[in-house]
Amino acid sequence: VRLVESGGSLVQPGGSLRLSCSASGFTFNNYEMTWVRQAPGKGLEWVSSISSSGGTIYYADSVKGRFTISRDNAKNSLYLQMNILRAEDTAVYYCARDTLMAYFDYWGQGTLVTVSS
Amino acid sequence: QTVVTQEPSFSVSPGGTVTLTCGLSSGSVSTSYYPSWYHQTPGQAPRTLIYSTSTRSSGVPDRFSGSILGNKAALTITGAQADDESDYYCVLYMGSGIYVFGTGTKVTVL
Repeated sequence: VRLVESGGSLVQPGGSLRLSCSASGFTFNNYEMTWVRQAPGKGLEWVSSISSSGGTIYYADSVKGRFTISRDNAKNSLYLQMNILRAEDTAVYYCARDTLMAYFDYWGQGTLVTVSS
Repeated sequence: QTVVTQEPSFSVSPGGTVTLTCGLSSGSVSTSYYPSWYHQTPGQAPRTLIYSTSTRSSGVPDRFSGSILGNKAALTITGAQADDESDYYCVLYMGSGIYVFGTGTKVTVL
């Protein structure tokens, strides 16, 4: 199982960014997937999850209305579209494989998003 | 807003035992929250230790164990080793697709 995030960069407040997570080593369309973030020096925060088909989506209140999670099962890829970015969105963003037992069994290495002028 | 609380830090001697807890700002933690535990060293991604309260993830040594103690989830390290020095996070599943991470505990082995 391998999860590789990409797309992180420096972006100005109010800007947009799209993160990607490329999955391999397992049948991607069998698993729910999740984004988790970690601000510098802080703890982990659940951001969003998407069902295996993409038909069911959940968001943390802190990102609802600004972030959109999606997936392309044909490309074994997970995405996070982030709009109206704020300084407090600065974090390393991890994608993680979700399981039916309500835990995350595999994690990517993360991609850094910095929101600053 | 739900807050999941953990001790900020713990120190344990090599070979010693330490129990970390994971509580709710309001209410009790039960197996219905499917508590899971992760550890993370600086600059690295989290790694799974325990899921569904007490099931060890593949490859996790049996010195790590999970349980419910009173009204909290708990992670016990028995016979701590130097490479157990890490940040530890619990996660509770709140239902309706929502997860909440605990505040994290920094464990020092010395």
